[in-house]
Amino acid sequence: DTGVSQDPRHKITKRGQNVTFRCDPISEHNRLYWYRQTLGQGPEFLTYFQNEAQLEKSRLLSDRFSAERPKGSFSTLEIQRTEQGDSAMYLCASTEDSTDTQYFGPGTRLTVL
Amino acid sequence: TQLLEQSPQFLSIQEGENLTVYCNSSSVFSSLQWYRQEPGEGPVLLVTVVTGGEVKKLKRLTFQFGDARKDSSLHITAAQPGDTGLYLCAGDWAGGTSYGKLTFGQGTILTVHP
Repeated sequence: DTGVSQDPRHKITKRGQNVTFRCDPISEHNRLYWYRQTLGQGPEFLTYFQNEAQLEKSRLLSDRFSAERPKGSFSTLEIQRTEQGDSAMYLCASTEDSTDTQYFGPGTRLTVL
Repeated sequence: TQLLEQSPQFLSIQEGENLTVYCNSSSVFSSLQWYRQEPGEGPVLLVTVVTGGEVKKLKRLTFQFGDARKDSSLHITAAQPGDTGLYLCAGDWAGGTSYGKLTFGQGTILTVHP
């Protein structure tokens, strides 16, 4: 399967714990995006990487959130001191420079108790 | 903030009926994409439109991009139960250095009854 993959698919955690999600984009896609989707809404942009450089961050991304893409391939999104309001589906998408089309992974469903 | 207003929010129809979903904005978009999303899964791309006035067909689905690139529509002919799902429009705003980030509409939940 050469699509975007995300791990884990589901994560249940207690308030105050730290969580980390991983995204593996389509091979050779240099652009990688993270989005967050809450129930009944469309996804909202969180952050963007071009290769290993994080070029844009949404104001939605508080100081508790950090994302990395150290070698320009896979990316991680960490949430520190999780809050109940962080419960959502976290989606990763990738694309290449020559196209506007983004391909999404299956998402990580986070539930904060 | 560039907003995409999607309507209707909910659509419940019988198999065989036709339907249209609308996506409107006051902003101009470089491109617009339509996705379908199943519960617990990520959005799956249906089509990308980039040229004002462009019409694309995908079997029973017809997508149109407005001449001014501010709006789009998705028309489904003879809907089938397998068309049931969440339909999302998403655009890449034409102004500024958006780096291709997508602005999504709220989505349309379509239910097709047998």
